[in-house]
Amino acid sequence: NAGVTQTPKFRVLKTGQSMTLLCAQDMNHEYMYWYRQDPGMGLRLIHYSVGEGTTAKGEVPDGYNVSRLKKQNFLLGLESAAPSQTSVYFCASSAQRGGKDTQYFGPGTRLTVL
Amino acid sequence: AQKITQTQPGMFVQEKEAVTLDCTYDTSDPSYGLFWYKQPSSGEMIFLIYQGSYDQQNATEGRYSLNFQKARKSANLVISASQLGDSAMYFCAMRLENNFNKFYFGSGTKLNVKP
Repeated sequence: NAGVTQTPKFRVLKTGQSMTLLCAQDMNHEYMYWYRQDPGMGLRLIHYSVGEGTTAKGEVPDGYNVSRLKKQNFLLGLESAAPSQTSVYFCASSAQRGGKDTQYFGPGTRLTVL
Repeated sequence: AQKITQTQPGMFVQEKEAVTLDCTYDTSDPSYGLFWYKQPSSGEMIFLIYQGSYDQQNATEGRYSLNFQKARKSANLVISASQLGDSAMYFCAMRLENNFNKFYFGSGTKLNVKP
């Protein structure tokens, strides 16, 4: 049981390049999320998905796109990377029920845009 | 708008002493959950403790307890008998139960445990 995995773990891009971050979960969770974490700040929600084929904007969606073609995968795309997108990106998933169930986080992807 | 505030960017505590990390929240939604996470230098997010907005008693998990004061909208984390391994960033988060389980995070508190 791998939980939530993220690919890649590290990436360096030049300004203007594009890339896709892959998140996969094996817990059959309905909900998935992408966050970014910047120094001195907590995690901020970029986009989220409440089910296969659905996505929605979070707090800081500009410059990012997402897709959820399969329930277990949630992709985050940067079409034209900018230095302001240098950050650590976390993917998370959760069951549809609330209560004590937490979000389960991936290990993070450290992205540097030069 | 939903908001989580952690006013202590950094704290020091002596090993074996107790420490309280502050968290206040703001929401008009009556149904929510409050969470604390630990983020060690390795970067992963580790779930520590949960408190539901309708829970009558404060949550406890081993050395962690949550001091929940609903009227004051505060959810402070208390770590008893601090250990060197407790040195990490700690994040308070709020989940709105009626809004697709979205989480809102505070800016974190860096805890350093001194031997």
